[in-house]
Amino acid sequence: DAMVIQNPRYQVTQFGKPVTLSCSQTLNHNVMYWYQQKSSQAPKLLFHYYDKDFNNEADTPDNFQSRRPNTSFCFLDIRSPGLGDAAMYLCATSRDDRGGSQHFGDGTRLSIL
Amino acid sequence: SQQGEEDPQALSIQEGENATMNCSYKTSINNLQWYRQNSGRGLVHLILIRSNEREKHSGRLRVTLDTSKKSSSLLITASRAADTASYFCATDGPRNQFYFGTGTSLTVIP
Repeated sequence: DAMVIQNPRYQVTQFGKPVTLSCSQTLNHNVMYWYQQKSSQAPKLLFHYYDKDFNNEADTPDNFQSRRPNTSFCFLDIRSPGLGDAAMYLCATSRDDRGGSQHFGDGTRLSIL
Repeated sequence: SQQGEEDPQALSIQEGENATMNCSYKTSINNLQWYRQNSGRGLVHLILIRSNEREKHSGRLRVTLDTSKKSSSLLITASRAADTASYFCATDGPRNQFYFGTGTSLTVIP
């Protein structure tokens, strides 16, 4: 089945130690998104790629970066994680038409020690 | 922030009852979508309503949209225990972004 896969499901890192989260998709969608979701809160858009075009949200901290080497893969890099970065990170995809819905992975829960 | 707001924040009902949740948003939209999220999982798309539509149905779901009030509602009829989840509305931005509302946590008691 076509899907969005996030690895790992759970990630533990140390305060200040760089960490990379991965997302892959078999839907061949043009657009890929990264969201941060803290407990009992709404998903907050960090940035998204429209093909190779990177779109950052104005309030996304510089500590968060992303790479999309090809259509199928997208990575979220957190350069120096702080305790406040502990959250669920969700990857999603959509087609590039304006009427499309998003398809989500099951997320990576990041803990900071 | 372009994040919308939903109410109620939490809703608890008996199985078989109807559940209604509301979403208000801030900017003009092309479409509004509703998603469900089970605990510890990703979001699942439920239904999309376009800005030129006022009401849409899908199975036990009914969505309304009032663009003059910048609001939408989601009605789940004849609720089941399996409907227990968080529900989010999402509005689209000018560059293929999606912005989610604050969510309603629904508990359906068997």
